[in-house]
Amino acid sequence: NAGVTQTPKFRILKIGQSMTLQCTQDMNHNYMYWYRQDPGMGLKLIYYSVGAGITDKGEVPNGYNVSRSTTEDFPLRLELAAPSQTSVYFCASWTGAYNEQFFGPGTRLTVL
Amino acid sequence: AQSVSQHNHHVILSEAASLELGCNYSYGGTVNLFWYVQYPGQHLQLLLKYFSGDPLVKGIKGFEAEFIKSKFSFNLRKPSVQWSDTAEYFCAVYTGTASKLTFGTGTRLQVTL
Repeated sequence: NAGVTQTPKFRILKIGQSMTLQCTQDMNHNYMYWYRQDPGMGLKLIYYSVGAGITDKGEVPNGYNVSRSTTEDFPLRLELAAPSQTSVYFCASWTGAYNEQFFGPGTRLTVL
Repeated sequence: AQSVSQHNHHVILSEAASLELGCNYSYGGTVNLFWYVQYPGQHLQLLLKYFSGDPLVKGIKGFEAEFIKSKFSFNLRKPSVQWSDTAEYFCAVYTGTASKLTFGTGTRLQVTL
C-alpha cells in the first residue's frame, strides 16, 4: 500500500493562476480531508468528504473547491491564487471512529 | 463545538530531560484521542491513540499518554527526551458528532544537546 499520495510536492504560482492539488489513497477509506498548515497555526480544515460524491466545507473553504468522483481521489482546486494561499497543504484519509487519520506527504505552495 | 487546547506552544528541553505536553478537550461524551508527531519537513504521523480501556497508553519511541476523564485531559509524556524528538506535536480528538478530528494548534518541541 502506498497510503496517501500527493502531487506535486512543491509549486510556485503567480497571483491569479489556478491549479489542482492531487490526492490519492489506496486504502479504500471513505473519509478524506484537505488541511492547510501555516507556521504556528496548526492545521486548518479546508474541505472534507465522507464518500464519493459527497463533500463539505471545513473551517477555511474560501478560495478552494473540491470534488470526489471516486473513493480514491480527492483533488483540491485553487481557482484564482492569492498570496494568502501560500501554505503547506496536507491530504488525509480515514475509516472513521476507532482509527487514526493517515496523512499524505504534503504540497508546499507559494503564491507570488 | 468541541475544541482542543494545547497550552504549551513552544517547549525547549535538554536531552535526557523529562517531557510532559498538555492537551485538554471540551466534550463530555465518549472520545477517541490521538497524539500525532510532525518531524521537520515531514507529514503528521501517529504517536499513540486512546479509544477505551486502560487510560495509560503507550506509543512509539517511548512516548505514553494518560487519559484523565475528570480533567478532560490527555497529556503526552516521555521520561527522557532525545535530540531526535525535536518536532511538532499535535493532540486530536474525535467525538462522533462530526465526521472529522479536531486538532489542537500544536506544540513545538526543541531538544538541545
